[in-house]
Parts: sequence; C-alpha cells; structure tokens
Amino acid sequence: QAVLTQPASLSASPGASASLTCTLRSGINVGTYSIYWYQQKPGSPPQFLLRYNSDSDKQQGSGVPSRFSGSKDASANAGILLISGLQSEDEADYYCMVWHNSASVFGGGTKLTVL
Amino acid sequence: EVQLVESGGGLVQTGGSLRLACTASGFTFSFYWMTWVRQAPGKGLEWVASIKEDESEKRYVDSVKGRFTISRDNAKNSLYLQMSSLRAEDTAVYYCARDYIIDYWGQGTLVTVSS
Repeated sequence: QAVLTQPASLSASPGASASLTCTLRSGINVGTYSIYWYQQKPGSPPQFLLRYNSDSDKQQGSGVPSRFSGSKDASANAGILLISGLQSEDEADYYCMVWHNSASVFGGGTKLTVL
Repeated sequence: EVQLVESGGGLVQTGGSLRLACTASGFTFSFYWMTWVRQAPGKGLEWVASIKEDESEKRYVDSVKGRFTISRDNAKNSLYLQMSSLRAEDTAVYYCARDYIIDYWGQGTLVTVSS
C-alpha cells in the first residue's frame, strides 16, 4: 500500500471550492507529519503551494494566494488542500508530499478540472 | 529571484552513466539542503535524493541507492547528480529543487535511457 494516496481526478465549478485529499497509509498518523502541497501545470515544473502541520505551524509559498489553504482530517488520517473561489487557472495536477523515515514521498497526484 | 538551472541531460544507453548539474542563484546556496526530483513521461513526481548544506547527510530513494550519487560544491553554487548503471526506468525529467521543503524548482533536464 502506498504511503500517500490521492484521488486521480476531481472536477469542480468556477467560483466553488475544491477539497483535495491526501490519505496516509494505515499506521502512519497524519498528526505527526507536515503535509506539503504542489501544483503543476502542463509543460511547467511544479510550484510549491504550502506546508501544513497545524494552524499554528504552517507556511504559504511565495506569492501563493490565500485562497489556497491546508488542513488535516484526523478521522480520515488525511491532509487536505482547500482551494476556494476556483478559477480556470487552477486547473492543474496537485501533489502532496511528506517526509517519512528520512525519505520524501509524493502522492500520485490529483488532476483538478475546473469546468 | 531564486533561479535553478539544470544541465547534463540527454540520451544514454542502458548501463551507461550521466552527470547532471544544477547552478543556483538568488539565494545563499550554502544555507540550504538541496534535492533532486524526477518525473517519468506522463507520470507523477518521484523524489530521488537530497543533500544537507555541508554534505554531511545524503538521502536516496531505494531504487537509486548504490547507482546514483548526489553532491554539491558550495563555492560554485552547484548541485550534482552522478548517475550510473542507468536503466530504462530512470528515463525522466530531472528537477533540481531547493531545500527539503522543495520550495523552488528548476525547469528540469530530460534523461532518456534506451538500448
């Protein structure tokens, strides 16, 4: 079982909010990890969006709008990227990442379609 | 402005070697961990290796251990990835990135391994 699992795709309407999940493997407690989020548009390198550990320990990427925010759902053992006020330019692939056992691990990515 | 520029990619035969380089500017290179991440064509992101500021710590994904070596030259603001015993599955765009947060990325260099 993969360390991080992301849904392959998600669709949402312009102006709405989208919640992207990153589920940690059973036995790995999301409460003890910082979750990193990246956005990648076709033909471009990824861009760092944010790091979220808790409301008092988080970091926004340089120039990243505040409508991108992070959270955790302990009951689901998942990190969440919330994008509010969706815009067409938010259509992209989104990856989560954690450092686990001294190695960086990326989720498989979620393709967000804004339509 | 943080800039990371990779070089050294190309076509190499299975079992061959290649050395990637990354030149950094816009920040104090010697103050940061540095990282290599790769992306196979049409696939997701895969962390490859990271190196501490003073080279005292190096970390690798299991699939490249013993074949790849990460190094740096702080006097030249440069990061390197020596790749040997290359396999078809190493074919990917290789990104140089800053820090273990992976907050800035280069444009990437394509490595193609073919028989």
